[in-house]
Amino acid sequence: GEDVEQSLFLSVREGDSSVINCTYTDSSSTYLYWYKQEPGAGLQLLTYIFSNMDMKQDQRLTVLLNKKDKHLSLRIADTQTGDSAIYFCAESSPNSGNTPLVFGKGTRLSVIA
Amino acid sequence: GAVVSQHPSWVICKSGTSVKIECRSLDFQATTMFWYRQFPKQSLMLMATSNEGSKATYEQGVEKDKFLINHASLTLSTLTVTSAHPEDSSFYICSARIPGQVGNQPQHFGDGTRLSIL
Repeated sequence: GEDVEQSLFLSVREGDSSVINCTYTDSSSTYLYWYKQEPGAGLQLLTYIFSNMDMKQDQRLTVLLNKKDKHLSLRIADTQTGDSAIYFCAESSPNSGNTPLVFGKGTRLSVIA
Repeated sequence: GAVVSQHPSWVICKSGTSVKIECRSLDFQATTMFWYRQFPKQSLMLMATSNEGSKATYEQGVEKDKFLINHASLTLSTLTVTSAHPEDSSFYICSARIPGQVGNQPQHFGDGTRLSIL
């Protein structure tokens, strides 16, 4: 079945860039997402990318997709303490609008002031 | 602003109680909603797909009689944890996709319900 893998922890200093990596196995994945979860809260959609794109930038966030290697990354520029959270990578296939997401285990980002 | 509203946000109750969690889509109709369960420091586990007007589709290993799902309207799905026990304590999250081009709309999540069974 589909699988999404992420490293579990990342620690960076405030002001530095954070790069969170994700790999997936489903070659038919068409949509890949990054969600942010703060403690005790639900998931907040940060950004998503279509598989026919290599890169997408949205303010401090840059998503890079290497479809050949099935590798997705999220770069957060000028990381702030408010960015401390768990970041989930997720993928879905295009066949149906009812397809649920397959999530990675999440990367816990800690920002050190 | 929030597009999916989940209620309640936190429930504490005694063992044996049944608990109902509501998931509402705001300003859009959701024919399909998803229910997830999240254990501490773990990822989201899909429990079931809630389909408006028909039976929910449960994932393998999820007890249908334990976790009752009702999707009676296009804006509301409910998850009832029947005769809850401490092992049912968890964080439950629902999601829905805003209708649009197929696959072009990401899922939006509620804020989750923390269920604690004493």
